[in-house]
Amino acid sequence: ETGVTQSPTHLIKTRGQQVTLRCSSQSGHNTVSWYQQALGQGPQFIFQYYREEENGRGNFPPRFSGLQFPNYSSELNVNALELDDSALYLCASSLPGTTNEKLFFGSGTQLSVL
Amino acid sequence: AQSVTQLGSHVSVSEGALVLLRCNYSSSVPPYLFWYVQYPNQGLQLLLKYTSAATLVKGINGFEAEFKKSETSFHLTKPSAHMSDAAEYFCAVSESGAGNMLTFGGGTRLMVKP
Repeated sequence: ETGVTQSPTHLIKTRGQQVTLRCSSQSGHNTVSWYQQALGQGPQFIFQYYREEENGRGNFPPRFSGLQFPNYSSELNVNALELDDSALYLCASSLPGTTNEKLFFGSGTQLSVL
Repeated sequence: AQSVTQLGSHVSVSEGALVLLRCNYSSSVPPYLFWYVQYPNQGLQLLLKYTSAATLVKGINGFEAEFKKSETSFHLTKPSAHMSDAAEYFCAVSESGAGNMLTFGGGTRLMVKP
């Protein structure tokens, strides 16, 4: 149990639709990252937020966007869904600068795009 | 740019046998290196991490990994496999911190035979 919770656990959407995924960070963590894990592959870094500002982004198009709120919870938004967006989306929180800094992952949201 | 290669997408061992999962990395700066485990329908759990201290890193559940700069490797080992070790294992690298912007390998599925 990492203390990072994601909702919903499963989601089915149609191509062209928009989706919002949510993440509640571990208490006190001010940094949240999102990863996309396609079937049979390793997770790929989407972006990271630190104190409500994006401070790093992977090789994902602008239709992938995010928000981090003052309580450090976070959203991942994907517009104009494509079939290849079908994947497990993982949220991870951390507290940079601590001696035992590491990522705590949630269990993910399984998104299926039909 | 950072990258990770995991040799062998599937590894099968007998219960009680040595586990060896291979990981090679590429990084332009001294890296942070990680091994994560993922059980079915769950998020990622950190097994161990290397952050430029001792080159032999001990993790949870009896796993350890050795950082070899000359070989750019960070292989994961466990002396004696248990049935409960069956899972997907991911090696990851970060150039910017232990909690930041990880690049993952493609994963190795470990199967343990009775």
